[in-house]
Amino acid sequence: NAGVMQNPRHLVRRRGQEARLRCSPMKGHSHVYWYRQLPEEGLKFMVYLQKENIIDESGMPKERFSAEFPKEGPSILRIQQVVRGDSAAYFCASSPGTGSSEQYFGPGTRLTVT
Amino acid sequence: AQSVTQLDSQVPVFEEAPVELRCNYSSSVSVYLFWYVQYPNQGLQLLLKYLSGSTLVKGINGFEAEFNKSQTSFHLRKPSVHISDTAEYFCAVSSNTDKLIFGTGTRLQVFP
Repeated sequence: NAGVMQNPRHLVRRRGQEARLRCSPMKGHSHVYWYRQLPEEGLKFMVYLQKENIIDESGMPKERFSAEFPKEGPSILRIQQVVRGDSAAYFCASSPGTGSSEQYFGPGTRLTVT
Repeated sequence: AQSVTQLDSQVPVFEEAPVELRCNYSSSVSVYLFWYVQYPNQGLQLLLKYLSGSTLVKGINGFEAEFNKSQTSFHLRKPSVHISDTAEYFCAVSSNTDKLIFGTGTRLQVFP
């Protein structure tokens, strides 16, 4: 059973460009979470999605950031017009949503904005 | 609102010595508690979790944690650490299938 997959593992963007981060949850998991880890800090919740629905986006910045989890395909975290402060590791986690609350994490995408 | 406090940002310890990493939480509702480990440039791996039942929880790699409701704590312990335990450890709290709220992490450094 493959784990949570994220790609790319490393992404370099210039200021003003767009970044697209992909997350494929574990097989059978219908809940996806995105977290951001800034250098030397813990993980901060960004958004929680189920298939075709955003359940909780209380951690998402108001502008430039969006997320989706379509019926088919991976979840996408999109950052428009990136700035240097967006440089961070972005982790995706998935869960089966059965009430156990255990989340399985992917290896992360490390975004560097130059 | 929920929050997690990890009191120690760094814990140095010699190999084969015992270690305790402290975690306190605050929440107005029942919570689930977790400890995750992060090795350099990797994702998070679940060490152990408390959902209900016995307050002493055993996890992987010889780690265990005790849930103390009166002190709102969930400290992580290992009786004898190895060099390979050197990593960042995160305590986290959630409610049901909700988002995880993480502490700021404790860097465990094991010396030979």
